[in-house]
Amino acid sequence: LAKTTQPISMDSYEGQEVNITCSHNNIATNDYITWYQQFPSQGPRFIIQGYKTKVTNEVASLFIPADRKSSTLSLPRVSLSDTAVYYCLVGDPFSGGYNKLIFGAGTRLAVHP
Amino acid sequence: GAVVSQHPSRVICKSGTSVKIECRSLDFQATTMFWYRQFPKQSLMLMATSNEGSKATYEQGVEKDKFLINHASLTLSTLTVTSAHPEDSSFYICSARATGKGNTIYFGEGSWLTVV
Repeated sequence: LAKTTQPISMDSYEGQEVNITCSHNNIATNDYITWYQQFPSQGPRFIIQGYKTKVTNEVASLFIPADRKSSTLSLPRVSLSDTAVYYCLVGDPFSGGYNKLIFGAGTRLAVHP
Repeated sequence: GAVVSQHPSRVICKSGTSVKIECRSLDFQATTMFWYRQFPKQSLMLMATSNEGSKATYEQGVEKDKFLINHASLTLSTLTVTSAHPEDSSFYICSARATGKGNTIYFGEGSWLTVV
């Protein structure tokens, strides 16, 4: 299972773009990269998932370089409500190994007025 | 996205009693569900993997006789904390793999257990 490394915390201000980078140097060929957001006392919420290059949805973009050893979650124009913990996870959704979705420490993002 | 619902969201029980937490996938079938626990300001810790129609697979250090998991249907898994003690007080979260929706894993809202 690929281990991930993220910054422990980040600070930003309302309206700014926030980029959170995750390192996963030993990512396997079949692994996908998935990001979750968690607010206090709530379960993690799926944000975005990708395999390579760039993926964009209505809330975020995910940039994955060619070597796939890292990925960057981009949150455009954050607001106070984006203050949360963000987790990066890697795994193969189509194999039994994906069962072990192991969470790291995550990145605590604080958005200030 | 897919919806996973947990019930109850909060429960208080007396020490020595048992409490059951339900996890339901509302708009998809889930052959595999997962149970986590989370202490304040810490990350999620995987407790066990629940497979429909078979026994759960527990992570090392998790007592299977204390945390009973049943996955009797494709949309329901239950976690029963038996003979609960104050140290079992925690935030319990389930998740389910949405087969047919890219196998993405979606999480429930979580359940706070307080043992007094």
